[in-house]
Amino acid sequence: RKEVEQDPGPFNVPEGATVAFNCTYSNSASQSFFWYRQDCRKEPKLLMSVYSSGNEDGRFTAQLNRASQYISLLIRDSKLSDSATYLCVVNRGDYKLSFGAGTTVTVRA
Amino acid sequence: NAGVTQTPKFRVLKTGQSMTLLCAQDMNHEYMYWYRQDPGMGLRLIHYSVGEGTTAKGEVPDGYNVSRLKKQNFLLGLESAAPSQTSVYFCASSYEGRWGYTFGSGTRLTVV
Repeated sequence: RKEVEQDPGPFNVPEGATVAFNCTYSNSASQSFFWYRQDCRKEPKLLMSVYSSGNEDGRFTAQLNRASQYISLLIRDSKLSDSATYLCVVNRGDYKLSFGAGTTVTVRA
Repeated sequence: NAGVTQTPKFRVLKTGQSMTLLCAQDMNHEYMYWYRQDPGMGLRLIHYSVGEGTTAKGEVPDGYNVSRLKKQNFLLGLESAAPSQTSVYFCASSYEGRWGYTFGSGTRLTVV
């Protein structure tokens, strides 16, 4: 079983729509959680950290459910510029991050 | 501030050839990493380093070697390239190791 699993999508949504997707992680000892964004043929970049209480950053909301071992990302009022692959990332408490394969989001005009 | 710089950006190798990928960071980060990214597989850790002079194996180390002789540089070597090593290679560095990774722009390697 992969350490981090994501629905690959793609999620095709119109501008202004809300889109949400999850990822699951297998190691219950995981301590830190993140969402990274990767544009086509570019390097991943940190979008936001995910905290136990849930957190928002503008139009983006991240949630963590430790009991069920999943993380979610919700994007409100989608923009064309939100089109990207979103990587779910987990740290087990050591000096390494584990990356999911990504969820592709395409926002259409 | 350049951040993390990878060279080369593109390379085509013949099976059996060798090459070295260079990663350089100017942020005084202790931790450095080499990942490969393949379609549907996500980023997989090849090797990493927790400080100058140290290296450790990641998830998929076979066929690769690394060196960290200077804090700012992390080299990834392919001794005898194979078509299975066709991939996009990303280097990353981190001050603390558990978060805040900065990635280089990647090296697209094709082995024919």
